[in-house]
Amino acid sequence: DAGITQSPRHKVTETGTPVTLRCHQTENHRYMYWYRQDPGHGLRLIHYSYGVKDTDKGEVSDGYSVSRSKTEDFLLTLESATSSQTSVYFCAISVFGTGTSGNTIYFGEGSWLTVV
Amino acid sequence: TQLLEQSPQFLSIQEGENLTVYCNSSSVFSSLQWYRQEPGEGPVLLVTVVTGGEVKKLKRLTFQFGDARKDSSLHITAAQPGDTGLYLCAGGRGSGSEKLVFGKGMKLTVNP
Repeated sequence: DAGITQSPRHKVTETGTPVTLRCHQTENHRYMYWYRQDPGHGLRLIHYSYGVKDTDKGEVSDGYSVSRSKTEDFLLTLESATSSQTSVYFCAISVFGTGTSGNTIYFGEGSWLTVV
Repeated sequence: TQLLEQSPQFLSIQEGENLTVYCNSSSVFSSLQWYRQEPGEGPVLLVTVVTGGEVKKLKRLTFQFGDARKDSSLHITAAQPGDTGLYLCAGGRGSGSEKLVFGKGMKLTVNP
């Protein structure tokens, strides 16, 4: 699992409330990602980070913000949760390979968020 | 726009049968990865192919990257109930950030 821990694993929240999901890694990898997974859409990138305080948007970033103040932690915040943000959220890290092995992406176990 | 199309999206077969799942795109990728995901868990990397025409084998699973690096296939021989899961392909652009583009996945059920 490359030392990835997501918290909380499950959360139910009300529309309009802020929510923060945390991803913690223990191996000091530079690249970290937040994806959401929804039926019919597969995995879609929300935001990613390529170092402390260096982040960028993915394909579905509206309504989300991220922060990375330490190498080991990548936080995803829903400023004002909406029902459309009900989803499973996965954190991932990238481990660089060499030659024909390519990069390896390791995913966390997921955070199930329900916005009611 | 879904850059990677997987087919079929669902497959239910009997133990011992063979199957092939396809991952197609009009875009060129520097690498193509296959993942397997079980309910309640994150995707787990099975293989990465990076060279056009490359074939990799992982026990009963055979992965192939198209010559033009736009498509890939996964063939499973003699499927087992333990192969049940969601199979995802993902394309990489080769940049250091490795922002992957995922297909929607193929849900496989292998019945005993």
